[in-house]
Amino acid sequence: GAVVSQHPSWVICKSGTSVKIECRSLDFQATTMFWYRQFPKQSLMLMATSNEGSKATYEQGVEKDKFLINHASLTLSTLTVTSAHPEDSSFYICSAPIDTQYFGPGTRLTVL
Amino acid sequence: GQQVMQIPQYQHVQEGEDFTTYCNSSTTLSNIQWYKQRPGGHPVFLIQLVKSGEVKKQKRLTFQFGEAKKNSSLHITATQTTDVGTYFCAGNAGGTSYGKLTFGQGTILTVHP
Repeated sequence: GAVVSQHPSWVICKSGTSVKIECRSLDFQATTMFWYRQFPKQSLMLMATSNEGSKATYEQGVEKDKFLINHASLTLSTLTVTSAHPEDSSFYICSAPIDTQYFGPGTRLTVL
Repeated sequence: GQQVMQIPQYQHVQEGEDFTTYCNSSTTLSNIQWYKQRPGGHPVFLIQLVKSGEVKKQKRLTFQFGEAKKNSSLHITATQTTDVGTYFCAGNAGGTSYGKLTFGQGTILTVHP
């Protein structure tokens, strides 16, 4: 099946710093990618839809200035958590669709 | 907005017992997908159901899509310890499987040997 990678797999940062997470489709092109966040023992919540060559579409309640998304190429989307705070600590997962959704392995963010 | 409710939240079974999780959408779906997430892992696609009343089987797993395309179920026969994980349904109200997914809350399955 198709492969989606994420980097880093985990990151610990201090409060107030920014963290960039990369999502790559390794063997296919993706004009659209999706970003989710998942709190422990909870479901995946869609944050935004990343669109190659245009602005991302954010779900209601998600701060676009807080979670910057850039889809610079057909194989790469990045999510930057700006001025991170402890409440931003979560598991962030991206997905890219072909015949179905393929999920990346996720990035565990811990903000101290 | 669209909501997908999934029950039960937790299910503990003895190895060999059957298991079922149910999903109900507030709106009619274009398709529904099922995923399995192992502890510490990411969701892995299991199956997609598209047609009204569709039933699909994968070995011990049986998936059903309701006639109204608003509910679905996953049934596992004779559970094994390898079935442990969280099972999510995800509804797609758009026209293709490429669209946004609304996930159910998930059912955490524990299998006791």
